[in-house]
Amino acid sequence: DQQVKQNSPSLSVQEGRISILNCDYTNSMFDYFLWYKKYPAEGPTFLISISSIKDKNEDGRFTVFLNKSAKHLSLHIVPSQPGDSAVYFCAASEDSGAGSYQLTFGKGTKLSVIP
Amino acid sequence: DTGVSQDPRHKITKRGQNVTFRCDPISEHNRLYWYRQTLGQGPEFLTYFQNEAQLEKSRLLSDRFSAERPKGSFSTLEIQRTEQGDSAMYLCASSPRRTKAFFGQGTRLTVV
Repeated sequence: DQQVKQNSPSLSVQEGRISILNCDYTNSMFDYFLWYKKYPAEGPTFLISISSIKDKNEDGRFTVFLNKSAKHLSLHIVPSQPGDSAVYFCAASEDSGAGSYQLTFGKGTKLSVIP
Repeated sequence: DTGVSQDPRHKITKRGQNVTFRCDPISEHNRLYWYRQTLGQGPEFLTYFQNEAQLEKSRLLSDRFSAERPKGSFSTLEIQRTEQGDSAMYLCASSPRRTKAFFGQGTRLTVV
Protein backbone atom coordinates (compact mmCIF):
# COMPACT_ATOMS: atom_id res chain seq x y z
CA ASP A 1 0.00 0.00 0.00
CA GLN A 2 1.62 3.22 -1.17
CA GLN A 3 1.60 5.85 1.54
CA VAL A 4 2.90 8.61 -0.76
CA LYS A 5 1.36 8.91 -4.20
CA GLN A 6 2.36 10.98 -7.18
CA ASN A 7 -0.39 10.25 -9.64
CA SER A 8 1.11 12.04 -12.64
CA PRO A 9 4.04 10.06 -14.07
CA SER A 10 4.94 12.94 -16.36
CA LEU A 11 4.33 16.64 -16.96
CA SER A 12 5.30 18.93 -19.83
CA VAL A 13 5.47 22.69 -19.40
CA GLN A 14 6.59 25.55 -21.59
CA GLU A 15 9.66 27.48 -20.47
CA GLY A 16 8.69 30.50 -18.39
CA ARG A 17 5.34 29.05 -17.30
CA ILE A 18 4.44 27.56 -13.95
CA SER A 19 5.03 23.88 -13.19
CA ILE A 20 2.77 22.32 -10.57
CA LEU A 21 3.65 18.89 -9.24
CA ASN A 22 1.21 17.15 -6.94
CA CYS A 23 1.55 14.62 -4.16
CA ASP A 24 -0.99 12.87 -1.92
CA TYR A 25 -0.34 10.89 1.23
CA THR A 26 -2.39 8.53 3.34
CA ASN A 27 -0.43 8.31 6.61
CA SER A 28 -1.76 10.98 8.96
CA MET A 29 1.34 10.57 11.15
CA PHE A 30 3.60 12.14 8.52
CA ASP A 31 4.71 15.49 9.85
CA TYR A 32 7.55 16.52 7.55
CA PHE A 33 7.55 16.64 3.79
CA LEU A 34 10.31 17.09 1.24
CA TRP A 35 10.76 17.40 -2.49
CA TYR A 36 13.79 15.98 -4.26
CA LYS A 37 14.95 16.35 -7.85
CA LYS A 38 16.74 13.55 -9.64
CA TYR A 39 18.70 13.55 -12.88
CA PRO A 40 19.48 10.24 -14.62
CA ALA A 41 22.38 8.30 -13.08
CA GLU A 42 22.56 10.66 -10.11
CA GLY A 43 21.25 10.54 -6.57
CA PRO A 44 18.27 12.65 -5.51
CA THR A 45 19.04 16.29 -4.70
CA PHE A 46 17.10 18.07 -1.95
CA LEU A 47 14.93 20.95 -3.17
CA ILE A 48 12.63 22.19 -0.47
CA SER A 49 10.80 20.96 2.62
CA ILE A 50 7.86 21.85 4.82
CA SER A 51 6.83 21.00 8.35
CA SER A 52 3.23 20.06 9.07
CA ILE A 53 2.88 23.15 11.26
CA LYS A 54 3.12 25.31 8.13
CA ASP A 55 1.04 25.47 4.99
CA LYS A 56 3.56 27.15 2.70
CA ASN A 57 7.30 27.38 2.28
CA GLU A 58 9.09 29.35 -0.39
CA ASP A 59 12.66 29.25 -1.67
CA GLY A 60 13.39 31.27 -4.76
CA ARG A 61 11.46 29.85 -7.70
CA PHE A 62 10.21 26.91 -5.63
CA THR A 63 7.17 26.97 -3.36
CA VAL A 64 5.65 24.03 -1.54
CA PHE A 65 2.05 24.11 -0.33
CA LEU A 66 0.65 21.71 2.26
CA ASN A 67 -3.05 21.00 2.79
CA LYS A 68 -3.17 18.73 5.83
CA SER A 69 -6.92 18.23 5.78
CA ALA A 70 -6.73 16.93 2.22
CA LYS A 71 -3.41 15.13 2.83
CA HIS A 72 -2.07 16.87 -0.24
CA LEU A 73 1.01 18.85 -1.09
CA SER A 74 2.19 20.51 -4.24
CA LEU A 75 5.41 21.97 -5.60
CA HIS A 76 5.22 25.10 -7.72
CA ILE A 77 8.13 26.13 -9.92
CA VAL A 78 7.90 29.65 -11.33
CA PRO A 79 9.21 30.40 -13.88
CA SER A 80 10.09 26.97 -15.23
CA GLN A 81 13.46 26.61 -16.92
CA PRO A 82 14.81 23.87 -19.21
CA GLY A 83 17.32 22.92 -16.47
CA ASP A 84 14.38 21.99 -14.27
CA SER A 85 13.71 18.97 -16.48
CA ALA A 86 14.18 15.99 -14.16
CA VAL A 87 12.24 13.49 -12.10
CA TYR A 88 10.72 15.03 -8.96
CA PHE A 89 10.09 12.91 -5.90
CA CYS A 90 7.80 13.77 -3.04
CA ALA A 91 8.88 12.30 0.31
CA ALA A 92 7.45 12.25 3.82
CA SER A 93 8.65 11.28 7.27
CA GLU A 94 7.17 10.70 10.71
CA ASP A 95 8.44 10.33 14.23
CA SER A 96 7.97 6.55 14.51
CA GLY A 97 9.76 6.37 17.84
CA ALA A 98 12.76 4.50 16.41
CA GLY A 99 14.44 7.80 15.67
CA SER A 100 15.25 7.22 12.02
CA TYR A 101 12.74 9.64 10.47
CA GLN A 102 13.12 7.51 7.36
CA LEU A 103 11.77 8.97 4.16
CA THR A 104 8.84 7.40 2.33
CA PHE A 105 8.95 8.37 -1.33
CA GLY A 106 6.40 8.57 -4.10
CA LYS A 107 7.12 7.08 -7.52
CA GLY A 108 8.12 10.41 -8.99
CA THR A 109 6.92 12.76 -11.72
CA LYS A 110 9.06 13.38 -14.77
CA LEU A 111 9.00 17.08 -15.61
CA SER A 112 9.93 18.22 -19.08
CA VAL A 113 10.35 21.96 -19.61
CA ILE A 114 10.11 22.78 -23.30
CA PRO A 115 12.19 25.73 -24.56
CA ASP B 1 33.87 18.02 -2.66
CA THR B 2 32.37 17.15 0.71
CA GLY B 3 29.21 15.42 -0.47
CA VAL B 4 28.19 11.81 0.09
CA SER B 5 30.45 9.46 -1.83
CA GLN B 6 29.56 5.93 -2.94
CA ASP B 7 31.78 3.28 -4.41
CA PRO B 8 31.57 1.61 -6.85
CA ARG B 9 29.21 3.51 -9.14
CA HIS B 10 28.39 0.36 -11.08
CA LYS B 11 28.65 -3.32 -10.24
CA ILE B 12 27.83 -6.30 -12.44
CA THR B 13 27.89 -9.64 -10.69
CA LYS B 14 26.82 -13.18 -11.35
CA ARG B 15 23.91 -14.63 -9.44
CA GLY B 16 25.07 -16.25 -6.24
CA GLN B 17 28.10 -14.01 -5.75
CA ASN B 18 28.58 -11.67 -2.80
CA VAL B 19 28.93 -7.92 -3.29
CA THR B 20 29.88 -5.08 -0.98
CA PHE B 21 29.21 -1.39 -1.42
CA ARG B 22 30.81 1.48 0.44
CA CYS B 23 29.40 4.84 1.49
CA ASP B 24 31.33 7.80 2.86
CA PRO B 25 28.88 10.27 4.38
CA ILE B 26 29.39 13.97 4.93
CA SER B 27 31.86 13.99 7.81
CA GLU B 28 29.85 15.82 10.46
CA HIS B 29 26.63 13.87 9.81
CA ASN B 30 25.80 11.28 12.46
CA ARG B 31 22.75 9.91 10.63
CA LEU B 32 23.31 7.50 7.75
CA TYR B 33 20.69 5.74 5.62
CA TRP B 34 20.64 3.12 2.90
CA TYR B 35 17.84 3.11 0.33
CA ARG B 36 17.15 0.97 -2.72
CA GLN B 37 15.56 2.21 -5.91
CA THR B 38 14.20 0.01 -8.68
CA LEU B 39 13.00 1.10 -12.11
CA GLY B 40 9.89 3.23 -11.98
CA GLN B 41 9.84 3.42 -8.20
CA GLY B 42 10.94 5.92 -5.63
CA PRO B 43 13.75 5.07 -3.21
CA GLU B 44 12.77 2.59 -0.50
CA PHE B 45 14.27 2.65 2.99
CA LEU B 46 16.57 -0.24 3.91
CA THR B 47 18.37 0.68 7.12
CA TYR B 48 19.44 3.52 9.42
CA PHE B 49 22.52 4.18 11.52
CA GLN B 50 23.01 6.78 14.19
CA ASN B 51 26.75 6.98 14.59
CA GLU B 52 27.87 3.32 14.70
CA ALA B 53 24.55 1.92 15.95
CA GLN B 54 22.18 0.33 13.47
CA LEU B 55 18.85 1.42 14.92
CA GLU B 56 16.32 0.47 12.29
CA LYS B 57 15.99 -2.09 9.51
CA SER B 58 13.29 -2.43 6.89
CA ARG B 59 11.54 -5.73 6.21
CA LEU B 60 13.09 -5.36 2.74
CA LEU B 61 16.46 -6.11 4.34
CA SER B 62 16.48 -9.90 4.16
CA ASP B 63 19.03 -11.99 6.03
CA ARG B 64 21.23 -11.95 2.91
CA PHE B 65 21.81 -8.24 3.50
CA SER B 66 24.09 -6.84 6.18
CA ALA B 67 25.20 -3.31 6.85
CA GLU B 68 27.86 -1.89 9.12
CA ARG B 69 29.15 1.50 10.13
CA PRO B 70 32.31 0.94 12.13
CA LYS B 71 33.35 3.86 14.32
CA GLY B 72 30.44 5.87 13.01
CA SER B 73 32.24 6.91 9.85
CA PHE B 74 31.89 5.13 6.49
CA SER B 75 29.33 2.38 5.99
CA THR B 76 29.25 -0.83 3.99
CA LEU B 77 26.29 -2.75 2.62
CA GLU B 78 26.91 -6.39 1.76
CA ILE B 79 24.60 -8.64 -0.20
CA GLN B 80 25.31 -12.35 0.00
CA ARG B 81 24.22 -14.91 -2.59
CA THR B 82 22.89 -12.23 -4.93
CA GLU B 83 19.65 -12.84 -6.83
CA GLN B 84 18.36 -11.17 -9.98
CA GLY B 85 15.77 -9.39 -7.89
CA ASP B 86 18.59 -7.56 -6.09
CA SER B 87 19.33 -5.59 -9.26
CA ALA B 88 18.68 -1.97 -8.32
CA MET B 89 20.27 1.36 -7.51
CA TYR B 90 21.54 1.39 -3.92
CA LEU B 91 21.56 4.88 -2.46
CA CYS B 92 23.29 6.12 0.65
CA ALA B 93 22.24 9.31 2.41
CA SER B 94 23.44 11.20 5.45
CA SER B 95 22.01 14.03 7.52
CA PRO B 96 22.83 16.02 10.64
CA ARG B 97 19.19 16.05 11.73
CA ARG B 98 15.81 14.99 10.43
CA THR B 99 15.22 18.03 8.28
CA LYS B 100 16.81 16.75 5.07
CA ALA B 101 19.01 13.95 3.81
CA PHE B 102 21.86 14.35 1.36
CA PHE B 103 22.15 11.51 -1.11
CA GLY B 104 25.15 10.05 -2.85
CA GLN B 105 25.17 9.23 -6.55
CA GLY B 106 24.31 5.61 -5.85
CA THR B 107 25.69 2.21 -6.81
CA ARG B 108 23.89 0.51 -9.68
CA LEU B 109 23.90 -3.26 -9.19
CA THR B 110 23.16 -5.62 -12.05
CA VAL B 111 22.88 -9.32 -11.25
CA VAL B 112 23.20 -11.55 -14.31
